[in-house]
Amino acid sequence: NAGVTQTPKFQVLKTGQSMTLQCAQDMNHEYMSWYRQDPGMGLRLIHYSVGAGITDQGEVPNGYNVSRSTTEDFPLRLLSAAPSQTSVYFCASSLAFGNSGNTIYFGEGSWLTVV
Amino acid sequence: QQQVKQSPQSLIVQKGGISIINCAYENTAFDYFPWYQQFPGKGPALLIAIRPDVSEKKEGRFTISFNKSAKQFSLHIMDSQPGDSATYFCAATRLNNAGNMLTFGGGTRLMVKP
Repeated sequence: NAGVTQTPKFQVLKTGQSMTLQCAQDMNHEYMSWYRQDPGMGLRLIHYSVGAGITDQGEVPNGYNVSRSTTEDFPLRLLSAAPSQTSVYFCASSLAFGNSGNTIYFGEGSWLTVV
Repeated sequence: QQQVKQSPQSLIVQKGGISIINCAYENTAFDYFPWYQQFPGKGPALLIAIRPDVSEKKEGRFTISFNKSAKQFSLHIMDSQPGDSATYFCAATRLNNAGNMLTFGGGTRLMVKP
């Protein structure tokens, strides 16, 4: 079982360039999300999806787009990269929490540097 | 505005000692509090979680203590081992929120010295 797979692992972008971070899960999870991790700030939610065709904004959505055309895939697009988007990006997936919580599975991260 | 505040930012403990990480939250609607462990170069992984209807939950050497009136919860790692060296994040959420959105603390980098 691959779990949550993110590509690329590392990327360097120039200011103004666009790119897409890929995320795929093979656990048939309905919920997927993208977080960014910055020192001292923990992980902050960028966008999330509760199913194919349904997405919504999280805490820090500006500068990012997402789409969910299939249950398995949830790509994150940087429209015009800025140095402030230098960060580590994590994709996550899970089943609905229910009454007792559920494990949220994270990918291994994508390290993005914008110069 | 950080809704979940975590301390300390870094912690050094001797092997066999007790590691204690504290978190405080503001939103009283939160009803699920997981802790995540993250090793360098990896994504966070669920370690242990608690709901506010209990004051303590223990799994092996890891214990969560929860104080609902103070809106605080903490992670205790007993008999800390060098293999526990990692970054720990507390988080909080509402179980009925669509999307399973988590609000994370800022993280604590734990180093356990042999």
